[in-house]
This record gives sequence, C-alpha cells and structure tokens, in this order.
Amino acid sequence: ETGVTQSPTHLIKTRGQQVTLRCSSQSGHNTVSWYQQALGQGPQFIFQYYREEENGRGNFPPRFSGLQFPNYSSELNVNALELDDSALYLCASSFGTSYEQYFGPGTRLTVT
Amino acid sequence: LAKTTQPISMDSYEGQEVNITCSHNNIATNDYITWYQQFPSQGPRFIIQGYKTKVTNEVASLFIPADRKSSTLSLPRVSLSDTAVYYCLVGREGGSQGNLIFGKGTKLSVKP
Repeated sequence: ETGVTQSPTHLIKTRGQQVTLRCSSQSGHNTVSWYQQALGQGPQFIFQYYREEENGRGNFPPRFSGLQFPNYSSELNVNALELDDSALYLCASSFGTSYEQYFGPGTRLTVT
Repeated sequence: LAKTTQPISMDSYEGQEVNITCSHNNIATNDYITWYQQFPSQGPRFIIQGYKTKVTNEVASLFIPADRKSSTLSLPRVSLSDTAVYYCLVGREGGSQGNLIFGKGTKLSVKP
C-alpha cells in the first residue's frame, strides 16, 4: 500500500451541492495530482499542485478547484455538482513532476 | 501529446509469461514510457518506466525497440493476483502530470 490517504471513502451528494475531498500525500512528496475515473474508463487528469501552486490542469470546468497546503496535503472542491460528476476521484502524490506517482485508494462520489 | 494504443483485453493462464504491447507512433524525443497497474476499486500502481532498450525490476520488464514507437511490458509467470488493468502512458519527465494520458488500458485476466 502507498502512504497516500483519501477521505472520505464514499460520499453521496445531491445535484447542485458542493463537495470537498481530501488527500494526504506520501511523506517526502511535494506534488499532488487529482484524477477523475468514470466506470470502465482510465483516470482523467483534473489538475496538479506543486508547492502549493497549480501546475497544470486538464479539461475540467472552473467549478473543479483545489488547494495544496504547506504540509503538501490537498483538497479537491467541486461546486454545483452534476450527475456526470459521479465517479472515483483519485489523488496521487509524487516528488516534483516525476511520473512515478503513488495513488490513494480514491473517493467514490455518487451524485443523485 | 503522444497517444498510445494497446489491446483492450488479454487472457492468460497461471505460470505463463504475458507480454502487453503498446504503440506510440508519435512519441517525442524527451518522452518516457510508464506503465501502471490497477486493481478494481483501487488507485493505479506504478510498475515500471523506461526510455530505451530494456528496463527490469522485481515486478516486470519493459522492452523498448530502437525506434521507440512501441514498447512491451513483460510479466513473468503470472498468477491470479496479476488480474488487473494495465495502462501504458507516454510523457515528458519534468512536465505536468497532465502530459500523461491514461487510456482504457489492457484488461488482463489470468485463469487457473
């Protein structure tokens, strides 16, 4: 198992609500990336934070936002939830921009 | 961004060697090839990364021909626990993880 943890494990929200997902990175890692994985698909890159600054963003609308804290933990916030936001949200940490990323177990979000 | 093509699925039996080939015809000079493994309801796990020729670790080997337009992940003597989805990714080290694109991967089924 990696040292990356995510909370909560599961979450059910109603369309239009807001949600915050949390991630603690592996010790020594200063970069956190967030991915969305729909059923049967590969993970889709949302954005990355490096030393508390956004360092790349995928094709996701502005209602997906994030933060990275001085201890390199991170949050993913999604506003105005839509049914299509239902997915597994994965957090991955790495040192710098290395492609050797360590993924957490994910948060399963269901929007009804 | 270099696009990759890999088989949707493969079947194997316990004890066999499995080779999964990935095509990346427009790979750039600075791109590395990275493979991840993902079990159901878990985050992907880094397996191996390479640039050219052959790389081997305790889990797998990665073969990359001189033209680098394809690569082959080799899993020796697979077991039932190797049943998973395997992703081939191509991207430039030092760039944002957004340079890494997860496709649908190859679903490997290992049978007894």
